[in-house]
Amino acid sequence: SQQGEEDPQALSIQEGENATMNCSYKTSINNLQWYRQNSGRGLVHLILIRSNEREKHSGRLRVTLDTSKKSSSLLITASRAADTASYFCATDASIRDDKIIFGKGTRLHILP
Amino acid sequence: NAGVMQNPRHLVRRRGQEARLRCSPMKGHSHVYWYRQLPEEGLKFMVYLQKENIIDESGMPKERFSAEFPKEGPSILRIQQVVRGDSAAYFCASSSTVNTGELFFGEGSRLTVL
Repeated sequence: SQQGEEDPQALSIQEGENATMNCSYKTSINNLQWYRQNSGRGLVHLILIRSNEREKHSGRLRVTLDTSKKSSSLLITASRAADTASYFCATDASIRDDKIIFGKGTRLHILP
Repeated sequence: NAGVMQNPRHLVRRRGQEARLRCSPMKGHSHVYWYRQLPEEGLKFMVYLQKENIIDESGMPKERFSAEFPKEGPSILRIQQVVRGDSAAYFCASSSTVNTGELFFGEGSRLTVL
């Protein structure tokens, strides 16, 4: 299984600090995505990074991908209380018609 | 432009009854995924469907669970003879392309088995 595993499982930081979450996976991938889930809601797509990309930015988000280590990181800069949520990485293996698999997530709590 | 619509949002069933969860993908999307989530846990893949085809059902329990995505109408996740362990949130997601597509999620259907 190429399931991603996020690290840490839970993270609490002060508002304004940066939050970093990591994801490791097992097999070759086409791309890796990060999603956010607010409590009791559906997941929302944040960013997609392709296997031939190393870094991608979107607003306060920065994602890196290291295919040699089979790992990715999500950095949220200048965190806000509204960033409190669970964050999941998702991967699909580099084979045709493969399913998208999610990790167990990092629960991020921003302290006021 | 409606997003992914799931219904019902909440469903209560007694042990032994059937649960039917419906998912209407975004307009133009032909790929549907079903995931199951227990409280404070991640999403567990269940099944991946395209119109009239099951592409991958490796995450579906062998018994009591079935899924379909007909040519017309919503995708249906059906759970027969529910047990208390089936209580969970079931999320549907759709995408327009395979392997490169962003998933768009519904708000989930929360099944409670009494």
